[in-house]
Amino acid sequence: GAGVSQSPSNKVTEKGKDVELRCDPISGHTALYWYRQSLGQGLEFLIYFQGNSAPDKSGLPSDRFSAERTGGSVSTLTIQRTQQEDSAVYLCASSFRSAGVRETQYFGPGTRLLVL
Amino acid sequence: KQEVTQIPAALSVPEGENLVLNCSFTDSAIYNLQWFRQDPGKGLTSLLLIQSSQREQTSGRLNASLDKSSGRSTLYIAASQPGDSATYLCAVITGANNLFFGTGTRLTVIP
Repeated sequence: GAGVSQSPSNKVTEKGKDVELRCDPISGHTALYWYRQSLGQGLEFLIYFQGNSAPDKSGLPSDRFSAERTGGSVSTLTIQRTQQEDSAVYLCASSFRSAGVRETQYFGPGTRLLVL
Repeated sequence: KQEVTQIPAALSVPEGENLVLNCSFTDSAIYNLQWFRQDPGKGLTSLLLIQSSQREQTSGRLNASLDKSSGRSTLYIAASQPGDSATYLCAVITGANNLFFGTGTRLTVIP
């Protein structure tokens, strides 16, 4: 596709359930980022992938959150035992990593998660 | 549709100078506005978050102002340092929890 895609676009779940969010980056982009945006909290960084490895996991808010990336492409963000405070828009972005080239992050449309 | 514009697109200043980055948005019905910096190889770093009811926020050498009625925000950086070199992004968040990013200003602080 032409841009970053995310699925589902909306997800409603019950407290305590696990959810999986998917991100398809732009083809050829080796860097992938996950962010979370909550009302009143603004945007916060969660995790960054370079290829399939995650050199920066500093933003994951708890051990209930995990992410993986396979084949240097699709990434999934998993939230276990969801809590109401997990309700937010989860944004994915990708960029093309190349020395000397300015990296622009291209954002997907986001997944709106609501935990009841 | 909300459109967010940042001026200038790029800026180079000598170390120690004070500088102002500008952000404008077309729809004043925002929930809050956030300034970020973007460094290569890293995710966005949040700098300041201004709620729609506030007029400014300060953190260290950074001061961000918000004039909702005119659709403008400024980020003031005092006594700039080479470590401030990065791309600065503003983003507005609407009540529908939609995020609209500005085009970014690439700042270079020359030692």
